[in-house]
Amino acid sequence: EDKVVQSPLSLVVHEGDTVTLNCSYEVTNFRSLLWYKQEKKAPTFLFMLTSSGIEKKSGRLSSILDKKELFSILNITATQTGDSAIYLCAVESNFGNEKLTFGTGTRLTIIP
Amino acid sequence: EAGVTQFPSHSVIEKGQTVTLRCDPISGHDNLYWYRRVMGKEIKFLLHFVKESKQDESGMPNNRFLAERTGGTYSTLKVQPAELEDSGVYFCASSSRGLPRRYTFGSGTRLTVV
Repeated sequence: EDKVVQSPLSLVVHEGDTVTLNCSYEVTNFRSLLWYKQEKKAPTFLFMLTSSGIEKKSGRLSSILDKKELFSILNITATQTGDSAIYLCAVESNFGNEKLTFGTGTRLTIIP
Repeated sequence: EAGVTQFPSHSVIEKGQTVTLRCDPISGHDNLYWYRRVMGKEIKFLLHFVKESKQDESGMPNNRFLAERTGGTYSTLKVQPAELEDSGVYFCASSSRGLPRRYTFGSGTRLTVV
């Protein structure tokens, strides 16, 4: 069965700190790994990663995938209170079983 | 572009009652997915529609759950009769046909069975 494990489960840091969120996975028929941010309601898309070693960046957020070791990290630099959210990692499979397998998420709290 | 719309946003029902959740995907999205998050657990896949056809319903927990997508537009998820363990947040997502898939999620329906 496909599996995604995120760590830590929760994290509390001060504004301005840098955080690293981890995601490891086991999945057959891997297509991509996705990161989402969930504040109050709908998970919102952050990154899609398909190739190893290529960093994706968006402002203060960045992410990278290692397909050999089966993990990904999400970095947030110079954190702000608006970064407080649950960060979800999901792995997409394909070939007739197209679906996302999610981890439990990391709850990030930024203290002003 | 309007997003994925789900309603109701909250529903509280008694055990044994019936509840119907609705999802309106982004217009033109052939793929529609239902997911569920129960307390303390990860979001889990329920099923996948391509237009009006069920592509994969391997995640549906049991036959008390019935999903439909008439005409390939909006979808409904009916729970009948509801049990306490059905409580959770039900998310709908949609994507277009092409690759890579861009999944857009709705805000979810929080279902509480008492």
